Amino acid sequence: KQEVTQIPAALSVPEGENLVLNCSFTDSAIYNLQWFRQDPGKGLTSLLLIQSSQREQTSGRLNASLDKSSGRSTLYIAASQPGDSATYLCAVRQGGSEKLVFGKGTKLTVNP
Amino acid sequence: GAGVSQTPSNKVTEKGKYVELRCDPISGHTALYWYRQSLGQGPEFLIYFQGTGAADDSGLPNDRFFAVRPEGSVSTLKIQRTERGDSAVYLCASSLTRQSYNEQFFGPGTRLTVL
Repeated sequence: KQEVTQIPAALSVPEGENLVLNCSFTDSAIYNLQWFRQDPGKGLTSLLLIQSSQREQTSGRLNASLDKSSGRSTLYIAASQPGDSATYLCAVRQGGSEKLVFGKGTKLTVNP
Repeated sequence: GAGVSQTPSNKVTEKGKYVELRCDPISGHTALYWYRQSLGQGPEFLIYFQGTGAADDSGLPNDRFFAVRPEGSVSTLKIQRTERGDSAVYLCASSLTRQSYNEQFFGPGTRLTVL
């Protein structure tokens, strides 16, 4: 059974700092990995999707990497801003399945 | 609409009652998913539709839960004889097709509270 773990569970940083969020998964037979942002009381906003054949994806100040063989992904946020404060969720789509398996998320607070 | 919409945004009901939650996917998206998110947890898969048919309902917790998508667009999640443990945020997502490269786009969710 696929399990997704996100470390740390919570992170507080000063504005302007570069930071890395970690995601690990137990079964490397995945189709893709998706990073989401969730604001309090809101739904999920898709940030980046990495296919299993890709190593990384970039969007603005965000960069996500994937090492499928070791079961790891990282989300790098450059020059963090208070507006980046949210919970970041990592999810993998298992091979042979349509469903996403999520981690519990990392709650990020960027202090002005 | 521009995104996935869900109604109602909040639903409070009493234990034992029946509830229906509605999802309107992005226009043209053939795949539709339901997830459930409990407090402090990541979303958990419930059911997946490709067109009108439920292709994978392995995440439905028991037979009190049922979902339909009769015309391949709007979907309704139905919960019978609600229990306090059903309280959660119910999220709906859609994607263009079932292909591996397609992102799932999520709606704002319905917060269900069972008293």
